[in-house]
Amino acid sequence: SAVISQKPSRDICQRGTSLTIQCQVDSQVTMMFWYRQQPGQSLTLIATANQGSEATYESGFVIDKFPISRPNLTFSTLTVSNMSPEDSSIYLCSVEDPGLETQYFGPGTRLLVL
Amino acid sequence: GDSVTQMEGPVTLSEEAFLTINCTYTATGYPSLFWYVQYPGEGLQLLLKATKADDKGSNKGFEATYRKETTSFHLEKGSVQVSDSAVYFCALHGRGAQKLVFGQGTRLTINP
Repeated sequence: SAVISQKPSRDICQRGTSLTIQCQVDSQVTMMFWYRQQPGQSLTLIATANQGSEATYESGFVIDKFPISRPNLTFSTLTVSNMSPEDSSIYLCSVEDPGLETQYFGPGTRLLVL
Repeated sequence: GDSVTQMEGPVTLSEEAFLTINCTYTATGYPSLFWYVQYPGEGLQLLLKATKADDKGSNKGFEATYRKETTSFHLEKGSVQVSDSAVYFCALHGRGAQKLVFGQGTRLTINP
């Protein structure tokens, strides 16, 4: 399985600011995904990051709030913009092995917004 | 749409007890089914998976069998350890779909 790293691992931010989270994979992958896990909750898919095109967002998530970049097949960023305390969550990236329909997850970024 | 329902937690057991965490699903076609585990302060790790009916996934002493007739994928372990304390997520991946659908998670605590 792919080795996935995320930066930062955690951060404490002030409301109204933005944070960019990086996701790096040790091999080229077609499919990358960004999830949010609110405290004590399950995972919710934010968007699918497509290389060479705009990300595909799930219902309830918009590009202005969660802009995503995917400059190549091993890297993606998620920005959480104009943060409020409700954005306090764990943000996880994942990659999919398409032949196996199996996703592998990064360690997550723990965000606290004050 | 596709959905996954897990037994409500939290679940607390003593070491060496038998574990079952129930998971049922609703999906069109024949999805792949997964159990992921999230240890405290960490991301999700794939625990096991099954891709077709009657397949049994197994790892680290955990097992789950894909039951098409009951649309279930219950997680079992014969003798749990304190180190198994974590949150367990059941998930499905529809055929040809591009995303996972997760259950709500079950927090498991094992006491010595």
